[in-house]
This record gives sequence, C-alpha cells and structure tokens, in this order.
Amino acid sequence: QKEVEQNSGPLSVPEGAIASLNCTYSDRGSQSFFWYRQYSGKSPELIMFIYSNGDKEDGRFTAQLNKASQYVSLLIRDSQPSDSATYLCAVKEGRGYSTLTFGKGTMLLVSP
Amino acid sequence: GAVVSQHPSWVICKSGTSVKIECRSLDFQATTMFWYRQFPKQSLMLMATSNEGSKATYEQGVEKDKFLINHASLTLSTLTVTSAHPEDSSFYICSARIDGETQYFGPGTRLLVL
Repeated sequence: QKEVEQNSGPLSVPEGAIASLNCTYSDRGSQSFFWYRQYSGKSPELIMFIYSNGDKEDGRFTAQLNKASQYVSLLIRDSQPSDSATYLCAVKEGRGYSTLTFGKGTMLLVSP
Repeated sequence: GAVVSQHPSWVICKSGTSVKIECRSLDFQATTMFWYRQFPKQSLMLMATSNEGSKATYEQGVEKDKFLINHASLTLSTLTVTSAHPEDSSFYICSARIDGETQYFGPGTRLLVL
C-alpha cells in the first residue's frame, strides 16, 4: 500500500523565518510530487510540483526532492502569517494518468 | 492555474433525500476528474475517478450505487449522493486534471444531512 507520511504539527515559526515541511513516501516508483496548501474550511490549492531530484524554486517556495531517500520537502522563506495553513504532500506513480496519494498534512502556524 | 468550480457550495438536506453536486472545469477540458471526501481534521480521501464518456472507477469501500458519478462532457462531472444519511455529512471536493499531470481542486461542497 502506498503511503505518504507527514508530521501533523503544528509547526510554529515566527514571521520572517524559514518554515521547513517534510514528507516521506513509500512507493519507489513515484515520479511526480506535489505540494498543496489548504486553509481551514477551504479546498486545497496547488503551490508547486517537482519531478526531478534537487531543488525547484518558485518565489518564496522551494521544493526539494531526494528520490534515493524517498523524501520531499517544502521550504517557505520569509514566512508570513498568511502562510498559516495545512500543507499537503501528494505523490503520483509515474507520469500520466495515475491517481494522487495524499499525506495527512502538516499544520503551519506563523506568528506575527 | 486552472479554474474548477463546484455547485452548490453548501447544502443541507433531510435524511433519505438525494443531493447532486456539480464540478466544472471552466477554462480547460478535463478528461479526468476526481471526487474526494474530507471529514473534519482528516486527510483527503479519494472516492472515485471520473472519466469522460465512461464509467467511474471507485475506490475500495465506496459504494457506487450510493455515490453516483456522471462525467457527461469534458467540462462537467456530477456526484449524486443518493438516500443521504447523517454519516454522509462531509466536505466533498472535486478536482480536474490538466495535461495528464496536475490536479486543480474545486472550492468544495459542504453537505449536512439532518
């Protein structure tokens, strides 16, 4: 059974700090990795995706992937109170048409 | 990103009635849409994969006769909760896949069955 593990948190960081969110996955065949943000009472919104080992940056967000360690992370630089949300890691096997497997999410709290 | 809408956003119904939820991709065609359910403080649970023009693929444990899915066009999928009961009260969220890879979520529908 495919599993995606995340620390439920909450992860508390002060405003302006770097928040580091981690995710591990069990299926070595996984090829596509996604980070979603979900505010309380809302549906998930896509932040970014990564397919290749290494880092991918998009504004204040950096996704890091290490397939050998089956580990994907999301760094949020200059954290803002508006970043407070639950961050969902999602993993997909192969490129194409398989389904996403979601982690349970990590709650991030950014204090002013 | 791509835009996915859902209607209604809130629905309250009596036990035993049926409720239909619509999911639309507004600015792209989606051959595949997904239906999820999320209970409070729980993770997203995939209910079924909806493919345009064919029968939906249901996840294990999801009753296909209770949760009817129709994907009649490339921009519309519907989920009908038949004979709803209080335990069906949940947050139902659809998503649509673009380019075979990325899923974009609709805003969700909160169902409360009295």
